[in-house]
Amino acid sequence: EAGVAQSPRYKIIEKRQSVAFWCNPISGHATLYWYQQILGQGPKLLIQFQNNGVVDDSQLPKDRFSAERLKGVDSTLKIQPAKLEDSAVYLCASSLGTSGSWETQYFGPGTRLLVL
Amino acid sequence: DQQVKQNSPSLSVQEGRISILNCDYTNSMFDYFLWYKKYPAEGPTFLISISSIKDKNEDGRFTVFLNKSAKHLSLHIVPSQPGDSAVYFCAASEGGQFYFGTGTSLTVIP
Repeated sequence: EAGVAQSPRYKIIEKRQSVAFWCNPISGHATLYWYQQILGQGPKLLIQFQNNGVVDDSQLPKDRFSAERLKGVDSTLKIQPAKLEDSAVYLCASSLGTSGSWETQYFGPGTRLLVL
Repeated sequence: DQQVKQNSPSLSVQEGRISILNCDYTNSMFDYFLWYKKYPAEGPTFLISISSIKDKNEDGRFTVFLNKSAKHLSLHIVPSQPGDSAVYFCAASEGGQFYFGTGTSLTVIP
């Protein structure tokens, strides 16, 4: 079974530029998550989708971050414009999304972003 | 406010001995707990989980213990192997919303 795919794996941009990340979840997984992991910290949820609807985006900085999951499968996360403090690893995860509780998330390899 | 805490940033253990990683949480509504293992430049990999209706779950060399009254979770690895060297994150879930600790870096010394 293929895991969660993410691209690119690494990205270096200058502040005020824009960047986009792509995620393809495990086939059949209804729930998709985007996390931001800053060095030395645990993953922090940015946004959670159930199929193509947003379940939770309370910690997404909406003035600069946006995410979509148009067909309920792939998802893109965009940052525009980027700030220095956005340097982090962006992790995508998916889960079956059948129960709400007792779900196990499976993570992709992450995209490491460096903003200069 | 950090709802899930791992107070030991690092741990070193001799090969063959037991590794004990600890995790504390504050939200009594959490009903599912997970441990993830992370190697450098990779995403976290699911290791083991436990629901709030249990106090122990075992999978091979890995055992997770849950003490709900103390709001404490621990992961035991026995015997520890050099390949277990990684960062371990605990996570807690309420209604499908996940909260992660800051991780403990385990080094198993051959």
